[in-house]
Amino acid sequence: EPEVTQTPSHQVTQMGQEVILRCVPISNHLYFYWYRQILGQKVEFLVSFYNNEISEKSEIFDDQFSVERPDGSNFTLKIRSTKLEDSAMYFCASSAAGLAGFSYNEQFFGPGTRLTVL
Amino acid sequence: AQKVTQAQTEISVVEKEDVTLDCVYETRDTTYYLFWYKQPPSGELVFLIRRNSFDEQNEISGRYSWNFQKSTSSFNFTITASQVVDSAVYFCALSEISGSARQLTFGSGTQLTVLP
Repeated sequence: EPEVTQTPSHQVTQMGQEVILRCVPISNHLYFYWYRQILGQKVEFLVSFYNNEISEKSEIFDDQFSVERPDGSNFTLKIRSTKLEDSAMYFCASSAAGLAGFSYNEQFFGPGTRLTVL
Repeated sequence: AQKVTQAQTEISVVEKEDVTLDCVYETRDTTYYLFWYKQPPSGELVFLIRRNSFDEQNEISGRYSWNFQKSTSSFNFTITASQVVDSAVYFCALSEISGSARQLTFGSGTQLTVLP
């Protein structure tokens, strides 16, 4: 069964460093998402990406964040200068096309990358 | 703006008891989707069910059942004959139809502990 994969599973970094979190969405999916979950809190939407551009982003997704689809398979989230409060689990998700009308294609989540900023 | 409220922070039950997890949502849209996800201790998010706002028919799937009531904006989830493996955090989520990418808005989650 196809699945979303994420690497690394755990990333430890120093405050102020840049990190890149990587995701490989399901191969025939066209919409990609990043969510984050601070420990013990709810899952929060960061950004969605379609057709090589950002579709929507939350107020959390400020200038420190960027996303990219550098090739046909990877989808990355970059945090330019990490802060202590960026420590969280970051989930990537993808969904298929076919959003016309009231149809819905559910989002499949990856296992997450735990980011620890020291 | 959309909002999902899970008032129950933690629930503990003894194995084989039934347990209901509450979810109340707010949305301006007349068309939307509701979801339940499970997050076991290993951390991944496991999709359980999706319902759309047109379909208020409640459903049973094995030990799981759902009670969707549009009039009260509630989408409750029941596990019958709970098992220790059901111990997890359960998230209710909402996705509005408007907007191009159908972002999910999650509730704060309910930690379910099933004791042997």
